[in-house]
Formats: sequence, C-alpha cells, structure tokens
Amino acid sequence: DTGVSQNPRHKITKRGQNVTFRCDPISEHNRLYWYRQTLGQGPEFLTYFQNEAQLEKSRLLSDRFSAERPKGSFSTLEIQRTEQGDSAMYLCASSSWTDRDTIYFGEGSWLTVV
Amino acid sequence: AQTVTQSQPEMSVQEAETVTLSCTYDTSESDYYLFWYKQPPSRQMILVIRQEAYKQQNATENRFSVNFQKAAKSFSLKISDSQLGDAAMYFCAYRDISSGSARQLTFGSGTQLTVLP
Repeated sequence: DTGVSQNPRHKITKRGQNVTFRCDPISEHNRLYWYRQTLGQGPEFLTYFQNEAQLEKSRLLSDRFSAERPKGSFSTLEIQRTEQGDSAMYLCASSSWTDRDTIYFGEGSWLTVV
Repeated sequence: AQTVTQSQPEMSVQEAETVTLSCTYDTSESDYYLFWYKQPPSRQMILVIRQEAYKQQNATENRFSVNFQKAAKSFSLKISDSQLGDAAMYFCAYRDISSGSARQLTFGSGTQLTVLP
C-alpha cells in the first residue's frame, strides 16, 4: 500500500462547470477526511467520514459541495457550479485507530477555476 | 473553537545549525494531540512529530524535538543539524480527541523555513 491516492492531481475548469475529485485512502483506514488549502494558508477541514457515514461537515462546505464514501472505501468530492473562489488544493487524508489514529495525507488535487 | 497560531511566517537557518519554530494554541480541552507537519514544494503533507497532551515528556524524532508547555499552551519545534531537505512550509496542528468529535486537525497558518547552504 503506497498511501493515500488522489485523482486528478490537477484540474482546470471553467466557472459554472462541475468537478469531481476521487480519494483512495490507505487500505483498512476507516476514517477519511477532506481539507481545502489555499496558497499561503494551512489546510481547513471540510468533512469527515467514519466508514461510509459522513459524520461531520464544516460550514465551509456549501450546498454546492457534496462528498460521498460508498461502501466505506474510496471517497468522492463533487463541486457543482464552480466559482473562482473554489480555486484551491483539495487534500484527502485517512487514519485508523490501529495506527494510533495518525492522519496521513494524499498529495492533493489542485483546482483552478477560470 | 480551537485556534492555532504561528507568529513566524518565515524563518531561515544556516545548514547544520539549529532553528526553533513557534506555535501557540487555544483550547478548553485537557486532552488532545499536537502535531508538526512539513509541506515541501511537492505539497504533500508529511507528519514530522506528534505529542500527546497527557504526556509530560517532550517528543523527539531524530533531529526533531518539541518543547511542549501545556500551561502556556505553547508547542515549539526544534530542528537540529538543519539540512537542505528540511526546507519546507511547517504547520503546527491541534487535534481534539474528545468523545464524539470528528478528531479533525486544526492547522496554523504555517512557517516557511529556508535552509541556507
């Protein structure tokens, strides 16, 4: 297992279009997180899954954002009707209580809205 | 809500020297975890070191060590024998571990560390 995998790594889209990012966590990690990071800032929490259940959502996650984790494995983050303010890096992370619940991050998915 | 503050946007250190990055946090919880993450230009967030609040002993990982002052809510990172590969953005992070919490990380704004040859 090589770690948390995210796709695509880079996405350029026109304003108003929908985009979807995929995250494959470390196998057997039951917790999965999405964060957003803009240039020069630390990551900000968006949402959290424990297995397939989405247990918490940040107020940063507007109605245009939706995340799923079917079957408790990979997760998708969809942004509808993208706006320029959505331009950021979207980070996925996972953890497991069997590994001291240490959070491991993926390499991120860069979104540029033009 | 918990907050994490890193008051040094940029720091520089000469290769082989020692540098200390500062971090303060605010919380009403008594038990929590603290972390330092490193983010090189590749942008992947890499865990450097972790500290459990209930432990009085400061954590160490090879050349990296922390000075954890719980009463002062201070958590600094010391990098000894700095190497060129240490150049990166360093983030201090807090993690609430109370029952029922999402246990997500709250990050500071980061300190950009430059290592001078």
